[in-house]
Amino acid sequence: GAVVSQHPSRVICKSGTSVKIECRSLDFQATTMFWYRQFPKKSLMLMATSNEGSKATYEQGVEKDKFLINHASLTLSTLTVTSAHPEDSSFYICSARKSSGPVSDEQFFGPGTRLTVL
Amino acid sequence: QKEVEQNSGPLSVPEGAIASLNCTYSDRVSQSFFWYRQYSGKSPELIMSIYSNGDKEDGRFTAQLNKASQYVSLLIRDSQPSDSATYLCAVNDDFGNEKLTFGTGTRLTIIP
Repeated sequence: GAVVSQHPSRVICKSGTSVKIECRSLDFQATTMFWYRQFPKKSLMLMATSNEGSKATYEQGVEKDKFLINHASLTLSTLTVTSAHPEDSSFYICSARKSSGPVSDEQFFGPGTRLTVL
Repeated sequence: QKEVEQNSGPLSVPEGAIASLNCTYSDRVSQSFFWYRQYSGKSPELIMSIYSNGDKEDGRFTAQLNKASQYVSLLIRDSQPSDSATYLCAVNDDFGNEKLTFGTGTRLTIIP
């Protein structure tokens, strides 16, 4: 299988607080994980590529100091939204790419985290 | 700027008919192509991947790739109401670059 979990599934927080989202690959190792954001009725927008043991690579326009990514192990990556504001409210989805296997460029998505900043 | 284009729909298809979803991409060096299904409020689910020109069949789903025309499609046979979802086309330029570029998705509705 290729199961990816995310926690929490839903979070509501006050403006100015920080929120941490965890992404885990449950039955495979993932050298690379990806973090996406999706606004209502829009497609997925890649925020950053997270590589185990190294710094994340951020897409243009994504503030690395606001969206902190840590990929501490082959099965866990975390995204911390620092000093969250209402405009950060969105659906955050992670995906993981298997480290090995005959087809290693397929990405498997977590169930997503819906963030609402009041 | 790599682009992946899809008709946003909505596309309405009677139950039991064939649903045809289309996608074009701008980057000629694209190598890997994926179709994801996304239900409302949920995350995308991988349906099909295709890497070579021609057809690839998996159950009721058939992916078709034409690299010369920079075109990839997904056919859903014997459409079911449970197939109603948004279908996202995604493209990867090569095995060295791991990033996927997604289309905006086509919303498919199967009419009972």
